[in-house]
Amino acid sequence: EIVLTQSPGTLSLSPGERATLSCRASQSASRSYLAWYQQKPGQAPRLLIYGASIRATGIPDRFSGSGSGTDFTLTISRLEPEDFAVYYCQQYGSSVLTFGPGTKVDIK
Amino acid sequence: QVQLQESGPGLVKPSQTLTLTCTVSGGPITSGGYYWSWIRQPAGKGLEWIGRIYTSGTTNYNPSLKSRVTMSVDTSKSQFSLKLSSVTAADTAVYYCARVVVVPAPWGNYYYHYMDVWGKGTTVTVSS
Repeated sequence: EIVLTQSPGTLSLSPGERATLSCRASQSASRSYLAWYQQKPGQAPRLLIYGASIRATGIPDRFSGSGSGTDFTLTISRLEPEDFAVYYCQQYGSSVLTFGPGTKVDIK
Repeated sequence: QVQLQESGPGLVKPSQTLTLTCTVSGGPITSGGYYWSWIRQPAGKGLEWIGRIYTSGTTNYNPSLKSRVTMSVDTSKSQFSLKLSSVTAADTAVYYCARVVVVPAPWGNYYYHYMDVWGKGTTVTVSS
């Protein structure tokens, strides 16, 4: 079973700044299997990125994903007020889906 | 546009079986390329994948919950269900259902696996 580690646990930034979130997998897997989600308080998660770098429908282009193998990154180029939330990566392997523990992006 | 709605008891007694249903609307549950999944989230904590089911009845479960989980699908009602047995307080959480996209990626012999549509979630408390 793949274990995902996300860092940092919390990222304190100001609107307009760049956010770089990391997701590391315990074993290498196809980039096809890596997705990112955003979750705001009291809401269900929302798909941002799949296939490590493909933005989901309606996701602004300030969100971008990259990486391969065991190391993946979600970048928010310029934080908007609505981007302050928790972000989860998700990986697939051996018929099991796994979420990382999440990175909280909060306002500095 | 496909929508998902969870339903079921909000309170379950310890040692009993938690049963939830997810109703799919706005599109056929039998569409190819999709599995149907359950995820849960204890208050203040992260997401935990519980398992998924295809309309053929094929299932995959989280190994840590496998012994207590049963999923089923009723295509005539456009519903899929979760049963979690022998519940304890640790099973108290918001439970979400979601659609899992499983389609070929354009590179190599790989498929995407991601959840593109989610229900709003339902809170289940385990308490006597």
